[in-house]
Amino acid sequence: DVVLTQTPPTLSATIGQSVSISCRSSQSLLHSNGNTYLHWLLQRPGQSPQLLIYLVSRLESGVPNRFSGSGSGTDFTLKISGVEAEDLGVYYCVQGTHAPPTFGGGTKLELK
Amino acid sequence: EVQLVESGGGLVQPGRSLKLSCVASGFTFSNYGMNWIRQAPGKGLEWVAYISSGSSYIYYAETVKGRFTISRDNAKNTLYLQMTSLRSEDTALYYCATGSFDYWGQGVMVTVSS
Repeated sequence: DVVLTQTPPTLSATIGQSVSISCRSSQSLLHSNGNTYLHWLLQRPGQSPQLLIYLVSRLESGVPNRFSGSGSGTDFTLKISGVEAEDLGVYYCVQGTHAPPTFGGGTKLELK
Repeated sequence: EVQLVESGGGLVQPGRSLKLSCVASGFTFSNYGMNWIRQAPGKGLEWVAYISSGSSYIYYAETVKGRFTISRDNAKNTLYLQMTSLRSEDTALYYCATGSFDYWGQGVMVTVSS
């Protein structure tokens, strides 16, 4: 199975600070069809996960544009340009290129 | 509005069975592959099973293979997870989610304990 390694496991930020989360895959996530099925989720405290970014860099409808995704192959990054209080929670990367789907271990974003 | 509503969870003894349901609304359920994903208390997300839109393709995590069965009834807009031979390590909040993880239910708690 593909292993997704997220760093850092915990991130402390102040409101307005820009932060980045890394997700590294044990193998390339480029599918033979040309797509890269790497997505980012946010799970706020006490809530279900929600999709933020899909296919590496595409912003899900309704998600603020302070969120952005980048990367290719095995290295991916989620950036938040100006953290707001509602962004606190646990971020997960998930891959769907190789069966079975696998999740990263999560990055908890908390207020400094 | 898209909704996924899970039900069927509860407290069950080790070795017993339980069947979860997930009723979908607000989208064309029959066009979507569907997942079950679980989250043990205080832990991360673990994918459990996937079923394609027409049930032709089914996959399971190794941790549940042979014990869990995913199925769906497109006429009823409902996804199922039949869980047998339950173990304490199956204790988790179980979510149903669409194949691309764009929609999630609120989750249903399964506790396996004597």
